[in-house]
Amino acid sequence: NAGVTQTPKFQVLKTGQSMTLQCAQDMNHEYMSWYRQDPGMGLRLIHYSVGAGITDQGEVPNGYNVSRSTTEDFPLRLLSAAPSQTSVYFCASSTQQGGYEQYFGPGTRLTVT
Amino acid sequence: EDQVTQSPEALRLQEGESSSLNCSYTVSGLRGLFWYRQDPGKGPEFLFTLYSAGEEKEKERLKATLTKKESFLHITAPKPEDSATYLCAVIRDTGFQKLVFGTGTRLLVSP
Repeated sequence: NAGVTQTPKFQVLKTGQSMTLQCAQDMNHEYMSWYRQDPGMGLRLIHYSVGAGITDQGEVPNGYNVSRSTTEDFPLRLLSAAPSQTSVYFCASSTQQGGYEQYFGPGTRLTVT
Repeated sequence: EDQVTQSPEALRLQEGESSSLNCSYTVSGLRGLFWYRQDPGKGPEFLFTLYSAGEEKEKERLKATLTKKESFLHITAPKPEDSATYLCAVIRDTGFQKLVFGTGTRLLVSP
């Protein structure tokens, strides 16, 4: 099992550009989430999904869109990048049967200039 | 509002010098408390889940304990490879189990 994979690993965007961060998991987990990690603030939930076709907002959803058409994939879209979105983004998956512990991908470091 | 506070922010130990990291939490209806390890440039790696006060879990040199207000991660005779940031998170007992994270403790173990 590859676990949770994320691409790209690094990305630089200009203000106003859009892009999609990819996330995939091969553990058949029903739950998937996106977090951002900023210095001194801990990991904060952006969006999450409890199953294919079902998504909801987390703590900091503004400026981001998600969709979940399959169990495996959960892409995060930045609609119009802003410098405030400079951060490290982590995707995670979990399952109720597994006790809810979340398994994280390696992260995407995004810089918006 | 759910809150997780970790202390200290940073800790420097000599190899073999045991110590504890603290995670205090405020959450109504705790479903679980999680400890993660995060190495620089990598995603958090799951260590333990604790579900109820009095519970303890061990893994190699690490031992996690839980009370009704806080959790401790005890590190016994640490080695340099234990150097990492240790994150604590909680899940509420309502709806989708969203993790609320603390800001972590950066541990550096010197040889």
